[in-house]
Amino acid sequence: QLVESGGGLVKPGGSLRLSCAASGFSFSSFTMTWVRQAPGKGLQWVSTIGSSSNSADYADSVEGRFTISRDNAENSVYLQMNSLRVDDTAVYYCARTLRGLDHWGRGTLVSVSS
Amino acid sequence: EIVLTQSPGTHSLSPGDRATLSCRASQSVSSSFLAWYQQKPGQAPRLLIYGASRRAAGIPDRFSGSGSGTDFTLTISRLEPEDFAVYYCHHYGSSPWTFGQGTKVEIK
Repeated sequence: QLVESGGGLVKPGGSLRLSCAASGFSFSSFTMTWVRQAPGKGLQWVSTIGSSSNSADYADSVEGRFTISRDNAENSVYLQMNSLRVDDTAVYYCARTLRGLDHWGRGTLVSVSS
Repeated sequence: EIVLTQSPGTHSLSPGDRATLSCRASQSVSSSFLAWYQQKPGQAPRLLIYGASRRAAGIPDRFSGSGSGTDFTLTISRLEPEDFAVYYCHHYGSSPWTFGQGTKVEIK
């Protein structure tokens, strides 16, 4: 199971930290990914982190503003989002990554508005 | 960046029909890293197919995937009422990963 939290309403230029708590599987063995979906739109890959934090990758649209991290002892993955923009408004999903994105959380809504 | 273009945008079909959804890539994609997802309103996406043709755990065998190179297809052999949803293809090989814009399968 994956449960996201930390979403909310924030002003442009603000920051939020999303969390994703995992249970029911060996979290430390899996790459984890964040995907977002703007209201009424399609899916957009945001960031991926390796199982031991050995690698991290970002979409160009968030590179330099967002940071992905994980704590295997806490079975959690995080997304630190800085310098938020109106077009970052979306539901943010975390997903376990093995052969594709095989398990997803229910998402947390981030709204960026003045 | 690999751009995935799905067609049609909307597929109006009846229960029992066969659905054929297309995903075309702007450059060759390794079949090992092509997936399909189903998303219903208000729900998270669900993995249907990975590696272009391998069904994920628990996915009924009426769903099948095929293709290679730049052309991939998701086929639903006989639509059940619960299959009316939006379907996305996804490339997860080289960075950046990308998704198609989605095909909505709606009841005719």
